[in-house]
Amino acid sequence: EAQVTQNPRYLITVTGKKLTVTCSQNMNHEYMSWYRQDPGLGLRQIYYSMNVEVTDKGDVPEGYKVSRKEKRNFPLILESPSPNQTSLYFCASSFTAGAQAFFGQGTRLTVV
Amino acid sequence: GENVEQHPSTLSVQEGDSAVIKCTYSDSASNYFPWYKQELGKGPQLIIDIRSNVGEKKDQRIAVTLNKTAKHFSLHITETQPEDSAVYFCAAHGDSGGYQKVTFGTGTKLQVIP
Repeated sequence: EAQVTQNPRYLITVTGKKLTVTCSQNMNHEYMSWYRQDPGLGLRQIYYSMNVEVTDKGDVPEGYKVSRKEKRNFPLILESPSPNQTSLYFCASSFTAGAQAFFGQGTRLTVV
Repeated sequence: GENVEQHPSTLSVQEGDSAVIKCTYSDSASNYFPWYKQELGKGPQLIIDIRSNVGEKKDQRIAVTLNKTAKHFSLHITETQPEDSAVYFCAAHGDSGGYQKVTFGTGTKLQVIP
């Protein structure tokens, strides 16, 4: 089954404790993205990747890091999480830029 | 950068009526405009999309129109059904100076009243 898998689905952590949210897709897609979803703000792009070893900032990249060492994986790293990063996070992939995006189920992160 | 505005933020319609959601964008380099439906507890799913070289696209009860000159695009749902109740997002994807960002609207919560 074609899918985007994020883990974990739920995470509660403390300020400053590094964490990684994993994302994996099995569709051989080139383009992958991370978004955060906050009430009233819609989905905002954090980082995107055009292909292996090619990443670029979206609209809200501060406080986040990503890597794309393999085509299927695109982890999101919060090196020192803060409460304002409490949000619902989605990973998405598409065959190429400017094509239908397939979203994961989301990761609800709470930073206390 | 790109700015996408979406209206209305909430919309209630009677079952069987039509629903229209409108989005405007700012970057003329944007060339791909998808619409996503998000049900509670799930990730968004594409329902229809349109490219900048097309003015209208239809898929059964759903249609999207694009006016490049005015920089706006709209989602039309006819004969609405209770299962159409969800949050709908528009998005604009552009190739601007080599950047391939995606900008979403803020969402429209559609309620279809049986």
